[in-house]
Amino acid sequence: KNEVEQSPQNLTAQEGEFITINCSYSVGISALHWLQQHPGGGIVSLFMLSSGKKKHGRLIATINIQEKHSSLHITASHPRDSAVYICAVRGSQGNLIFGKGTKLSVKP
Amino acid sequence: ETGVTQTPRHLVMGMTNKKSLKCEQHLGHNAMYWYKQSAKKPLELMFVYSLEERVENNSVPSRFSPECPNSSHLFLHLHTLQPEDSALYLCASSQMLALHEQFFGPGTRLTVL
Repeated sequence: KNEVEQSPQNLTAQEGEFITINCSYSVGISALHWLQQHPGGGIVSLFMLSSGKKKHGRLIATINIQEKHSSLHITASHPRDSAVYICAVRGSQGNLIFGKGTKLSVKP
Repeated sequence: ETGVTQTPRHLVMGMTNKKSLKCEQHLGHNAMYWYKQSAKKPLELMFVYSLEERVENNSVPSRFSPECPNSSHLFLHLHTLQPEDSALYLCASSQMLALHEQFFGPGTRLTVL
């Protein structure tokens, strides 16, 4: 079992839908990252969280430290949101542990 | 140029070839990283350099040889690779080792024939 698990692995949505991607982890962490990887490979950091909630545009990330769980929400989804979303946790030694990613496809 | 750049973007090589991947960061960061991303697997951290010194080597085979000549440049020298080494190789940099967000390059898609 991976130390970082994401669900779902694949997600198809219609434009405008509200999307939730989940991340659960089993190790102690100092921070959690949400990353976005577009076709072609480039990765962009969306959020770094250590507690609570962060919002940036249509994206919202939350983390529950007690439950070792984080969610990434996309409101009013758009085809340009289609990408792989990766959850990564930073362990107490500073090491990064990545989830396998969630492939999101938003249809017009 | 801004951010983290990688060249080449695509590389096809035979198992007997020697090639190098290049990464350059224009962010003034002092830590740089090589990652491997294989299909359907999580990102794997290969090497970490901080202030041009290698500080982490995650059991990477010796056919991968990193080089960090200065804080802005990072190379990954490849020789006698295997087909299973075909993957996307991503470079990243951060302002301080481990504690700050990493900025990723676009990656080099490597195919080993």
